[in-house]
Amino acid sequence: KQEVTQIPAALSVPEGENLVLNCSFTDSAIYNLQWFRQDPGKGLTSLLLIQSSQREQTSGRLNASLDKSSGRSTLYIAASQPGDSATYLCAVTNSGGSNYKLTFGKGTLLTVNP
Amino acid sequence: EAEVAQSPRYKITEKSQAVAFWCDPISGHATLYWYRQILGQGPELLVQFQDESVVDDSQLPKDRFSAERLKGVDSTLKIQPAELGDSAMYLCASSMRSSYNEQFFGPGTRLTVL
Repeated sequence: KQEVTQIPAALSVPEGENLVLNCSFTDSAIYNLQWFRQDPGKGLTSLLLIQSSQREQTSGRLNASLDKSSGRSTLYIAASQPGDSATYLCAVTNSGGSNYKLTFGKGTLLTVNP
Repeated sequence: EAEVAQSPRYKITEKSQAVAFWCDPISGHATLYWYRQILGQGPELLVQFQDESVVDDSQLPKDRFSAERLKGVDSTLKIQPAELGDSAMYLCASSMRSSYNEQFFGPGTRLTVL
């Protein structure tokens, strides 16, 4: 059974700081990995999707890397802003035969202080 | 921009009552997912549809939960009777029928059972 762990559970940083969120997974036979953002009481917004054949993806100030063999991914946020405050969730897709299954971590709660 | 629609956004009910949630996926998305997210946890899959067929309902508490997608478009998730432990965010997501399987989430329905 796939298990996804995110460290740290919570992170508080001053505005302008660069930061890294970590995600690890136990079964390296994944199809892809997604990073999501969730604001309090809201749904999930997809930030980046990395295919299993890729090493990284970039979007604006966000960069996600994937090391499938070691079961790890990182989300790098450059020049953090108060508007980045949210919970960041990592999720991996495994295949159960013809069915794709997404398994989530518990998330990292990020607070960026002005 | 196409979005996944859900209603209601909030629902308060008493235990033993019946509740129903509705989801309209992004047009053209063949796969639809219902997730349950308990506060402080990542979402967990309840049921997955491919068109109108259920492909995974292994985590759906079938004694009280039911889900349908009769015409392969919108979907309804029902709980009867609701229990205190059902209080959670119920998220709907959809994806195209592809190996990339990027999932797009709706805003969710926050259920409170009193």
